[in-house]
Order: sequence, then structure tokens, then C-alpha cells
Amino acid sequence: GENVEQHPSTLSVQEGDSAVIKCTYSDSASNYFPWYKQELGKRPQLIIDIRSNVGEKKDQRIAVTLNKTAKHFSLHITETQPEDSAVYFCAAIQDSNYQLIWGAGTKLIIKP
Amino acid sequence: DAGVTQSPTHLIKTRGQQVTLRCSPKSGHDTVSWYQQALGQGPQFIFQYYEEEERQRGNFPDRFSGHQFPNYSSELNVNALLLGDSALYLCASSLGGVGYNEQFFGPGTRLTVL
Repeated sequence: GENVEQHPSTLSVQEGDSAVIKCTYSDSASNYFPWYKQELGKRPQLIIDIRSNVGEKKDQRIAVTLNKTAKHFSLHITETQPEDSAVYFCAAIQDSNYQLIWGAGTKLIIKP
Repeated sequence: DAGVTQSPTHLIKTRGQQVTLRCSPKSGHDTVSWYQQALGQGPQFIFQYYEEEERQRGNFPDRFSGHQFPNYSSELNVNALLLGDSALYLCASSLGGVGYNEQFFGPGTRLTVL
């Protein structure tokens, strides 16, 4: 079955700098990769996603890149702000499946 | 338009007891997925219900069971509770049919087993 690994587990960056979180997956059949943001005590919320027919997707300060050959995908946050502090999760799934497999999460800390 | 709701918010049980958690999906959604999120970890898929049937199940024992009602709301039941069942239980709703559709999460139920 699918396995998703996420690094780093904790990331501390200066406000205004960029942050990059990386994930790898094991099942080459996976074709949908969402990223979720979970603030302390709150529900996960989808922030961006990418399908395997696209190599990069951008939404304002957030971008995701996908390398199907290497089976890894990354979240990029530019011009980080205090409200970006949260735990970020990557996930992977096949269209023929219904089981979303999650990474272990990255705690992003934005230092003022 | 109400989003996904869950009840109760918090629950404390003792080992060996049974618990029922409830989820109401977002308006228009017909599919409910349940996840267990242990402290400091990512959510783990328990199962998904569509058209009142369990469509897929993750790697959880039979102590975990569920149900979906005709109005698409869902229950998660856990029997013979263990200390390790302490976690945040999240439900997520989505549109059913073939393929993956975006899941919207409820606020979760925090279960503590003593």
C-alpha cells in the first residue's frame, strides 16, 4: 500500500523568508496530492492540491511542485507571515481508491 | 450553510467501555470518512461510508465499526476501548461517486481513555 514520508518534522523560519516542506510517496499509481494546514486545536483545511498531470501549481504565496519520476512533491510558502504558523500535512491518493494517506506533519514556526 | 459538524466535542471513557461518535456532513455531501489522529501525528484513515455502506476500510480492528443513515449522517462506534484509542477523531464529508473528491473536515471529537 501507499506510504507517505514528510520532512522536516519541525521548520523554523524568519518572518518574510520562504519555507519548503517535502514529501515522498511509494505508490506510483497515486495521482492526487493535497496539502492541509492544521492550526492548534482546529480542523485540517485544504490549502492547495496537485494532480499528477501537472508539475507545478501556484496560489498567491503558496506553490506545490510534483516530480512523478522521483515520487516526491513539495510545498513552498514565500514571504512567510505569523499566521502561517501551523502544522502542515501532505497526503496522497489514487483516483481508484478512497483512502487518503497522510504524512506525519511539519510544524512550521514563523519567528518575528 | 452549515459545514461538517461532530458531537460530542470531548469525551472521557475508561478502558473496556464503548463509545459512539457522531458526524453530520456538509450540505449536499453524501460520503463520510472517519480518521483517527493521535497527538503529534497525521490522521489515519479508519473507513469511508457511501450510500449507507462501508466502501473502504483502513488498517483498524473490528472494534471500530460505523454506520451511515439515509440522511448521510454517520456514527463511529468503538468497543472495548484501549488506552491507545485516545485521540482526536475527525470526520470528513465529500461528494461520492467515482474518484477522489475534496474532503471537508469537522472540528473533531477528542476522546480520552483512562
